[in-house]
Amino acid sequence: AQSVTQPDIHITVSEGASLELRCNYSYGATPYLFWYVQSPGQGLQLLLKYFSGDTLVQGIKGFEAEFKRSQSSFNLRKPSVHWSDAAEYFCAEGALNNAGNMLTFGGGTRLMVKP
Amino acid sequence: ETGVTQSPTHLIKTRGQQVTLRCSSQSGHNTVSWYQQALGQGPQFIFQYYREEENGRGNFPPRFSGLQFPNYSSELNVNALELDDSALYLCASSSSGTGNTEAFFGQGTRLTVV
Repeated sequence: AQSVTQPDIHITVSEGASLELRCNYSYGATPYLFWYVQSPGQGLQLLLKYFSGDTLVQGIKGFEAEFKRSQSSFNLRKPSVHWSDAAEYFCAEGALNNAGNMLTFGGGTRLMVKP
Repeated sequence: ETGVTQSPTHLIKTRGQQVTLRCSSQSGHNTVSWYQQALGQGPQFIFQYYREEENGRGNFPPRFSGLQFPNYSSELNVNALELDDSALYLCASSSSGTGNTEAFFGQGTRLTVV
């Protein structure tokens, strides 16, 4: 069975500092990987996705993620964090069937941004 | 383009009751998936509906059931509610086909069981 691990439950960074959120997946030679962001009381918004090809993926809001098969990782990065980036971040792996992806999510990382 | 909409946004039920949650998929999307997100946790996959049938299911008991209608909208039904069913229920819609498909999420329904 798939499992996704986000080792850091909480992370606090200063505004303008760089950010890296860790994610490890457990299943698949060619995984479908996603990063979502959730603001309080809101649904999930897709930041970026990886299916194949270039292992460095660019997303919205200045985020990027790098797929490393040897480490089973898909870490999310941003060079300079803005206060509006404070939110909960979820990494997910998809299991593909004829209708689309069924997502397995990690436990999430809550990002706090200090002024 | 209309996004994914869920109703109601909040509701409170008593243990043992039944509840129905509703989801309208995004225009052009034919697959709907439901997720349960307990407080402080990541979403957990409940099931997926495609062509009006259950097309995949997570580790949830049979008292969690669903429907998909010809217009691709969907319902999640939970019978015999338990206190642990208190959670945010998220609906996601997507298009069938290749794996390169994005799931769009609604704002969720916050269910409280007392």
